Amino acid sequence: AQSVTQLGSHVSVSEGALVLLRCNYSSSVPPYLFWYVQYPNQGLQLLLKYTTGATLVKGINGFEAEFKKSETSFHLTKPSAHMSDAAEYFCAVSHAGNNRKLIWGLGTSLAVNP
Amino acid sequence: DADVTQTPRNRITKTGKRIMLECSQTKGHDRMYWYRQDPGLGLRLIYYSFDVKDINKGEISDGYSVSRQAQAKFSLSLESAIPNQTALYFCATSGPLGTGSDTQYFGPGTRLTVL
Repeated sequence: AQSVTQLGSHVSVSEGALVLLRCNYSSSVPPYLFWYVQYPNQGLQLLLKYTTGATLVKGINGFEAEFKKSETSFHLTKPSAHMSDAAEYFCAVSHAGNNRKLIWGLGTSLAVNP
Repeated sequence: DADVTQTPRNRITKTGKRIMLECSQTKGHDRMYWYRQDPGLGLRLIYYSFDVKDINKGEISDGYSVSRQAQAKFSLSLESAIPNQTALYFCATSGPLGTGSDTQYFGPGTRLTVL
């Protein structure tokens, strides 16, 4: 069965510092991988996704993630945090065998300190 | 205009009442989903529908029912609301498999409180 683990339910960084949000998955078949962001009092929106091809994926707002099959990871990074990055971040995985339903991580709340 | 809309945005109700949450989309997607979000529990799938004639239970369907009235409309009902159904509810849509359009697009959510 597929699963997603997000290490750290709360992450705090200083403005301008590197953002690293960790996501590990388990899947017996090639996965599709997603990062979504949820700003306060809003719905979720897609940050980036990996389906096939290039393993380094660039998303919106300066975020990127790298698919590492050997490590079963899809960590999200941003070189320099901005106050507006404070939000909840969710990693998700899907594959063709489950009709591409998303399996979600529990989320990581990112705080950005001035 | 938003592609995925949910009504109401906020609702307070009492135990035992019947509640309907509505979702409409203008994305032309066949696939629609209902999730609930609880602090620390992430998103959990309640029901999903791959087309008007296809309804499937998710991981936490007990106490909920759905209706797919049209391609664009997918409603979630709580037949007899109970306090532990207090949560944030999201509707989402996605395109067909194999098209690269299976990204899920979310509505703004409905905050439901059951007293």
